[in-house]
Amino acid sequence: KAGVTQTPRYLIKTRGQQVTLSCSPISGHRSVSWYQQTPGQGLQFLFEYFSETQRNKGNFPGRFSGRQFSNSRSEMNVSTLELGDSALYLCASSLWAGSEKLFFGSGTQLSVL
Amino acid sequence: DAKTTQPPSMDCAEGRAANLPCNHSTISGNEYVYWYRQIHSQGPQYIIHGLKNNETNEMASLIITEDRKSSTLILPHATLRDTAVYYCIVRVPGQAGTALIFGKGTTLSVSS
Repeated sequence: KAGVTQTPRYLIKTRGQQVTLSCSPISGHRSVSWYQQTPGQGLQFLFEYFSETQRNKGNFPGRFSGRQFSNSRSEMNVSTLELGDSALYLCASSLWAGSEKLFFGSGTQLSVL
Repeated sequence: DAKTTQPPSMDCAEGRAANLPCNHSTISGNEYVYWYRQIHSQGPQYIIHGLKNNETNEMASLIITEDRKSSTLILPHATLRDTAVYYCIVRVPGQAGTALIFGKGTTLSVSS
């Protein structure tokens, strides 16, 4: 069974631009969560989607948004990029929202210049 | 904020048991203890979870104290590939809207 796939693996953007990251969950998984990882703040929860609905949201500004499609694939978008948005963005899939086991992808490394 | 406390780093010799402690003194009755690990450049990987009984799977054992205020993850025969950051997390499973809250974790270094 294929794992969680995140694309692209690396991304370089400049301040003020916007970016869209993609996540394909494990087949059969209906919940997708997004996390941001930086050296200073560690792993921080962004949001969780289940059945195309946002079920939970972390403490991030409105520039960070996401959505989930009917096939459970998810995208997250960051608008008006700031230098501090440079981070590893991780996607995790699970069978349902609140499921015990989350399966993480390898992440998208975003660099904002 | 994370509801757990872990030592920032630990060392272990290859082939020996690695015992990683975690303090969760404010854990509530319906919260489980989860362990994940993150190997460099990869996403976190689920290891094991438990409520109050000791648990064992092919990766590790989890020992939870009777008062549930602390737990220990045991890797019985550590290998170099077990070098990673280990995260101890408490949460209520099956409850939509509860996210994994990661703390700083313990960096385990296994050496030959």
